[in-house]
Amino acid sequence: DTAVSQTPKYLVTQMGNDKSIKCEQNLGHDTMYWYKQDSKKFLKIMFSYNNKELIINETVPNRFSPKSPDKAHLNLHINSLELGDSAVYFCASSQDTKANEQFFGPGTRLTVL
Amino acid sequence: AQSVTQPDIHITVSEGASLELRCNYSYGATPYLFWYVQSPGQGLQLLLKYFSGDTLVQGIKGFEAEFKRSQSSFNLRKPSVHWSDAAEYFCAVPDSWGKLQFGAGTQVVVTP
Repeated sequence: DTAVSQTPKYLVTQMGNDKSIKCEQNLGHDTMYWYKQDSKKFLKIMFSYNNKELIINETVPNRFSPKSPDKAHLNLHINSLELGDSAVYFCASSQDTKANEQFFGPGTRLTVL
Repeated sequence: AQSVTQPDIHITVSEGASLELRCNYSYGATPYLFWYVQSPGQGLQLLLKYFSGDTLVQGIKGFEAEFKRSQSSFNLRKPSVHWSDAAEYFCAVPDSWGKLQFGAGTQVVVTP
C-alpha cells in the first residue's frame, strides 16, 4: 500500500492554464505539507495543514491555493501557470506538527511551456 | 533560525569504498536531525533520524550517522557503497512547527 500518493506524476501544460495536483495519505497522520523542488534540487516548504487547517504559508504567490477537504487529502491548485512554476512538487505527511519524521510522496513533475 | 549546510554538492565514490557525507547545522537547542535519500525520479525516503540519546544512529540500507554537538555536525556514513546508493542525499532540521529546513543536497555518483 502506498503511504503518500500524488496524482498526476507528470503534468505538462501551457502558460496561463490552471492545474491541480492531488495528494492522499493513508497513514492516519494529522499534518500534511507541500514542498517545491527546483531544478537545482533545492527543497522548500510551501504550505502545511494540520487537521485541515492551514498552519504554514510561506512566501508563495497567491496563484497557489492549497485545499484540504479532510485530514487524508491535501490538494494544490495553481492558477495562471508561469514558466517559473516548473518544478517537482512533493506532498508529505507527519503524525503531527511536532518534529516527527515526514513521509514523502513520489512527486509531481510540472512542466510549463 | 535554524539552518543546514551540506558543504559537498557532488561526491564520486567507487563501488565498495566508504562514503561520508557532511552536514552542519545551526540551531540554538539540541536539534532533531534527519537524513533523507532521493533516488533518481523518486520521492524522498528517510534514512535515519536523531532525536536524543545515543549520538551514533543506525539507519536503513547500512547507513549510520553521528551527532557531534561540539562540531554542530551530523555526518552520514556507509562503510561500503553499492551502485544502488547513487542518489541525492539531504540533511534536514525541523522547526517547532515541523517545517523542515533542507540542506542543498549532495549528489553521490558511484563508479564501478
